[in-house]
Amino acid sequence: TQLLEQSPQFLSIQEGENLTVYCNSSSVFSSLQWYRQEPGEGPVLLVTVVTGGEVKKLKRLTFQFGDARKDSSLHITAAQTGDTGLYLCAGANAGGTSYGKLTFGQGTILTVHP
Amino acid sequence: IAGITQAPTSQILAAGRRMTLRCTQDMRHNAMYWYRQDLGLGLRLIHYSNTAGTTGKGEVPDGYSVSRANTDDFPLTLASAVPSQTSVYFCASRRDRERTEAFFGQGTRLTVV
Repeated sequence: TQLLEQSPQFLSIQEGENLTVYCNSSSVFSSLQWYRQEPGEGPVLLVTVVTGGEVKKLKRLTFQFGDARKDSSLHITAAQTGDTGLYLCAGANAGGTSYGKLTFGQGTILTVHP
Repeated sequence: IAGITQAPTSQILAAGRRMTLRCTQDMRHNAMYWYRQDLGLGLRLIHYSNTAGTTGKGEVPDGYSVSRANTDDFPLTLASAVPSQTSVYFCASRRDRERTEAFFGQGTRLTVV
C-alpha cells in the first residue's frame, strides 16, 4: 500500500507569515497533485508536478516535487486569511497492478488569523 | 453544466440495510474513483475504475462494492451498512489515469445508525 504522509496535520498562523506543508512517501509516484478543499465541497486542483525536482509557482504558492518523485512540498509566502482551508496532496501510481490509483494524504488544515 | 453528480446528498440509514450511492459524470472521463472522508481530513480510496468494465480495490474496500457498466456511471454499494461506514463519500473522475486533474462531486453525507 502506498501511503502519503502529510505534515503538519494542523497549522495556525498569523496573516503575513510564511508556511510550508510537506507530503512524503516511501514510494515513487508518476505525478503528484495538490488540492484545496473548502467546507461542504469537493477538493479542487491547485497544481500537478510531474518531473523530479520540478518547481511550480502559483502566485504566492510554490510547489516542489522531490528529485526521486517520492515527496513534495507546498510553500505559501505571506499567508492571507483567504488561504484558510484543507490542503491535500495526491499521488498517482507509477505503474504495476495499481496503475491509475490516485492516493491522498491525510490533509493539512490551515487557519490564517487576521 | 458538465461535471459529476452524486445522489443522494445526504442519507440516514439503519444498520444492516443495503444502500447504493450514485455517481454520474458527463465529461466522458475514463477513470473514476470513490473516496470516504472522515473528520474533515484526508480522503481514503475505496474503489476505482480506470475504464468502463474494469474496477480495482483501494485502501479501504471492505464492505463496499462497485460496478462500471458504462463510462458515465460508477455506483457504490454498501451491502449491509454498519455504523463505521458513517462518513462523507466523494466520487471523482479523471480524463485518464495519467497526471490529469480529478474532478469531484459535492459528496454524500451518510449516517448509519
